Amino acid sequence: DAGVTQSPTHLIKTRGQQVTLRCSPKSGHDTVSWYQQALGQGPQFIFQYYEEEERQRGNFPDRFSGHQFPNYSSELNVNALLLGDSALYLCASSLLRGRKAYEQYFGPGTRLTVT
Amino acid sequence: ELKVEQNPLFLSMQEGKNYTIYCNYSTTSDRLYWYRQDPGKSLESLFVLLSNGAVKQEGRLMASLDTKARLSTLHITAAVHDLSATYFCAVDRNSNYQLIWGAGTKLIIKP
Repeated sequence: DAGVTQSPTHLIKTRGQQVTLRCSPKSGHDTVSWYQQALGQGPQFIFQYYEEEERQRGNFPDRFSGHQFPNYSSELNVNALLLGDSALYLCASSLLRGRKAYEQYFGPGTRLTVT
Repeated sequence: ELKVEQNPLFLSMQEGKNYTIYCNYSTTSDRLYWYRQDPGKSLESLFVLLSNGAVKQEGRLMASLDTKARLSTLHITAAVHDLSATYFCAVDRNSNYQLIWGAGTKLIIKP
């Protein structure tokens, strides 16, 4: 079991550009949540996908959007990048229902730097 | 609005000592998580506490939950250098994985 995987590992973009981050959940998991973690802070919930739909959303602008594919993998898209979007973006994998419906595992993260 | 507060935010201690990290949250919640994060790395799941009075232990770490007091503790016994990391608690209010996080406790254990 490869666990939760994310790509790319690091990314450098310029203000105003667009970026796409990718996540593959742990085998058997059906729910993907995305978090933003600024340096020295705790993670902030961006949104969550289940059955290819956005199920919940945190307090993030519409510049942040996502998608979930039939194989449960997910993408996070950020448009019109700002310097403040520089952060570690974490993908979390979980199972919405069932006996293990409380475990949540994180991927290694994508470090995004906006210059 | 659910708020999660950890204290202390920074802790420097000697190997062999015991200490406790506290996590207070502001509204009733279903689940409480503890994670560990090493510098530049992702989050490693330590414990999930699901009910009042829950206690879980793994090695030198023990976590407990008091839902009436809205308090969780992470106790470190006979600390060793390898436990140096930042520890986060996070609360899942409605069992839907929308976690609200504390600011983290940076723990440094000196040999």
